Amino acid sequence: GQQVMQIPQYQHVQEGEDFTTYCNSSTTLSNIQWYKQRPGGHPVFLIQLVKSGEVKKQKRLTFQFGEAKKNSSLHITATQTTDVGTYFCAEPRTTSGTYKYIFGTGTRLKVLA
Amino acid sequence: DVKVTQSSRYLVKRTGEKVFLECVQDMDHENMFWYRQDPGLGLRLIYFSYDVKMKEKGDIPEGYSVSREKKERFSLILESASTNQTSMYLCASSLATGWGLAGVLDTQYFGPGTRLTVL
Repeated sequence: GQQVMQIPQYQHVQEGEDFTTYCNSSTTLSNIQWYKQRPGGHPVFLIQLVKSGEVKKQKRLTFQFGEAKKNSSLHITATQTTDVGTYFCAEPRTTSGTYKYIFGTGTRLKVLA
Repeated sequence: DVKVTQSSRYLVKRTGEKVFLECVQDMDHENMFWYRQDPGLGLRLIYFSYDVKMKEKGDIPEGYSVSREKKERFSLILESASTNQTSMYLCASSLATGWGLAGVLDTQYFGPGTRLTVL
């Protein structure tokens, strides 16, 4: 089946260190979304990127959409224990007039205090 | 706030049983989705529905069927449960934007998930 590659699969960091996860697509995307899933929880929407080269910030989180709209990244500055969880990107795919969502494989972040 | 609820948080069934997982959303959303989540594989789409009585196969529909008789309710059915269907099942809903805006992805709201174990 179709899957979106995310790297790394796992990342352990010391509290205060930075963290980055990357999402790569084989196709040019119209947009991309990012979700966060806390341990034991469900995915929660973080942000959507639409424009080529777009950069959006949410406090310590920086989201970037590649110039060619084929990749995206999420960077967390000075991680905190509250950042623990799995981060997913999601990209749209159209099929026969409808569209569906393909999620990345996810990056699981652990923050060591 | 959008609320998506699922009928059970935990479910244990035996091989061969018929299993129903129910999902209800209260925001009048057109789109509803069923995913399964397994370690290292992320979220994989099983089925989705963009309207009442309408359904589309996702990436892994084999062994599953769905039903959407009312707009707010989307059911996932395992006709004959097997051990390889042990997984976390997540339901989601989103507001449809129409074909003209299909390039813009709507926010998905997820339910709490059902952890199904098939023995």
